[in-house]
Amino acid sequence: GAGVSQSPSNKVTEKGKDVELRCDPISGHTALYWYRQSLGQGLEFLIYFQGNSAPDKSGLPSDRFSAERTGGSVSTLTIQRTQQEDSAVYLCASTLSHEQFFGPGTRLTVL
Amino acid sequence: AQSVTQPDIHITVSEGASLELRCNYSYGATPYLFWYVQSPGQGLQLLLKYFSGDTLVQGIKGFEAEFKRSQSSFNLRKPSVHWSDAAEYFCAVGALFGNEKLTFGTGTRLTIIP
Repeated sequence: GAGVSQSPSNKVTEKGKDVELRCDPISGHTALYWYRQSLGQGLEFLIYFQGNSAPDKSGLPSDRFSAERTGGSVSTLTIQRTQQEDSAVYLCASTLSHEQFFGPGTRLTVL
Repeated sequence: AQSVTQPDIHITVSEGASLELRCNYSYGATPYLFWYVQSPGQGLQLLLKYFSGDTLVQGIKGFEAEFKRSQSSFNLRKPSVHWSDAAEYFCAVGALFGNEKLTFGTGTRLTIIP
């Protein structure tokens, strides 16, 4: 079956611009996570969605980062006024039975 | 706070040799432990997980890991590596309920030489 998909696969933007990253989880998976993988910080948790509950945003590094999940399915991670330190691979995962299935990631480069 | 330590940044082994990748964790409750593999340009693929029960768990691609509570370790092993095993390996710990966010180690890069 289809796995977790993310788009775009690569995104190059200029400092100060806003970007949106999309995640399509596996159908039927109720929980969704965003992580960031960067050279300096490794893999770090950003935000967690579970069903219709309020998301756990405790991992978001600043108020420039936000995310939403519409209809309990697709999720969008938005970074406003991008900075060079936002350059990283952003990974999305959806969960079934305590196992997280990861998408291929979006590589974000901020010039 | 939970944490994971992978003390080896880079390991090189010969094809056909045995492999052990080390992982130590710090967690306040019963841990839920994972090993993931990431090939260049790819996402994370789950190799195996420890939830409870038998402390020796088998995974895909011939990998196994042993949970040792007394040593707070969850080392990954493979008796004979193949060139296709070259990748980065991540150990992770998570909760069983609620926000099951994973805390990852910094990864071990595995190089295979002929």
